[in-house]
Amino acid sequence: EVQLVESGGGLVQPGGSLRLSCAASGFTFSTYVMSWVRQAPGKGLEWVSTISISGGNTYYADSVKGRFTISRDNSKNTLYLQMNSLGAEDTALYYCARDRITVTTYFFDPWGQGTLVTVSS
Amino acid sequence: EIVLTQSPASLSLSPGERATLSCRASQSVRSYLAWYQQRPGQAPRLLVYDASNRATGTPARFSGSGSGTDFTLTISSLEPEDFAVYYCQQRSIWPLTFGGGTKVEIK
Repeated sequence: EVQLVESGGGLVQPGGSLRLSCAASGFTFSTYVMSWVRQAPGKGLEWVSTISISGGNTYYADSVKGRFTISRDNSKNTLYLQMNSLGAEDTALYYCARDRITVTTYFFDPWGQGTLVTVSS
Repeated sequence: EIVLTQSPASLSLSPGERATLSCRASQSVRSYLAWYQQRPGQAPRLLVYDASNRATGTPARFSGSGSGTDFTLTISSLEPEDFAVYYCQQRSIWPLTFGGGTKVEIK
């Protein structure tokens, strides 16, 4: 069974940092493009970042560019999101999502259950 | 950035009725559009990709159509588990973008 389990969320002060992790299992992690998508409380979905299978290519939403860094460790089947200079606008449930198939499509299937990041003093 | 506009924002229907959801793109996304379902308290789930292809496990009552800038998700006969929020997403041009969602509510 394919599983994506996010962790690392929590309460952080404005200007602070947090590192999210997504542990993958049930599939060959190193052959899939991976992404982060977030959802502010009561709001819609916002794509955050995507990383290629080798990690050599990364893509970011303008809202997080220069503050967030996506990375992956294929030997540990784990996806990461390093978040710096956090602001209230970053408060959201952060989902890890796999590409639909090994041939890159940039459609998300499946998704993890998410980890909540709250930025507040 | 491609803006996806979903309409209506909400839809109130009874089980067994037909639901028609719209997603309009600010410029052509060819057929590179997907639909997701999000039930309360759950993660989104891919329903349709490339505008009209049902994802694995998507019931046949869901169908997607359209290309270019106008897309439709149709649910032919609503089941109780279909009352949820539906999002469209394009992958034609970076950045990847989602529509604002359509909430399908029980009447």
